[in-house]
Amino acid sequence: KQEVTQIPAALSVPEGENLVLNCSFTDSAIYNLQWFRQDPGKGLTSLLLIQSSQREQTSGRLNASLDKSSGRSTLYIAASQPGDSATYLCAGGSNYKLTFGKGTLLTVNP
Amino acid sequence: NAGVMQNPRHLVRRRGQEARLRCSPMKGHSHVYWYRQLPEEGLKFMVYLQKENIIDESGMPKERFSAEFPKEGPSILRIQQVVRGDSAAYFCASSPSRDRGTEAFFGQGTRLTVV
Repeated sequence: KQEVTQIPAALSVPEGENLVLNCSFTDSAIYNLQWFRQDPGKGLTSLLLIQSSQREQTSGRLNASLDKSSGRSTLYIAASQPGDSATYLCAGGSNYKLTFGKGTLLTVNP
Repeated sequence: NAGVMQNPRHLVRRRGQEARLRCSPMKGHSHVYWYRQLPEEGLKFMVYLQKENIIDESGMPKERFSAEFPKEGPSILRIQQVVRGDSAAYFCASSPSRDRGTEAFFGQGTRLTVV
């Protein structure tokens, strides 16, 4: 059974700092590893999708890496901004059965 | 493409009533998935449907919950005789194929409050 853990549960940083969010999963037989952003009371915004044959994906200030052998993924956010404040969710699995972590609540202070 | 559309966005029901949550997948997508996010919990898979078929309902509670995806119209998640513990955000996702590497796209969710 797949389990996804995200560390830390909460993170507070000053504006402009580079930061890393961590995600670990127990079953390396995943097809996708996906990072989402969720604002309070809102839906999910997909940030980056890494397929199992890939090692990383980049979009703007975001970079996500995947190491299936160690069961880990990281989301790197460069030059953080107050608008980046949200909960970041990691999910692993396949297109129809993603297992989600509980998220990291990020606060970027101006 | 309007994306995955869920309605209503917010739903309030009294204990014992029925809740019907609707999901219209992205155009061209015939595979729909429902997830539930309980307060302080991660999203949990509930059910996978293809047009007129339930493919995997391993995450659905055994009682009071049902889902359908008819040939025409949206997918419906139905909760009968709701209880306080059903209060949660319910998310729908869709994809164009059952290829496991295909990305599933999520809707904005329906927030159900049982009073």
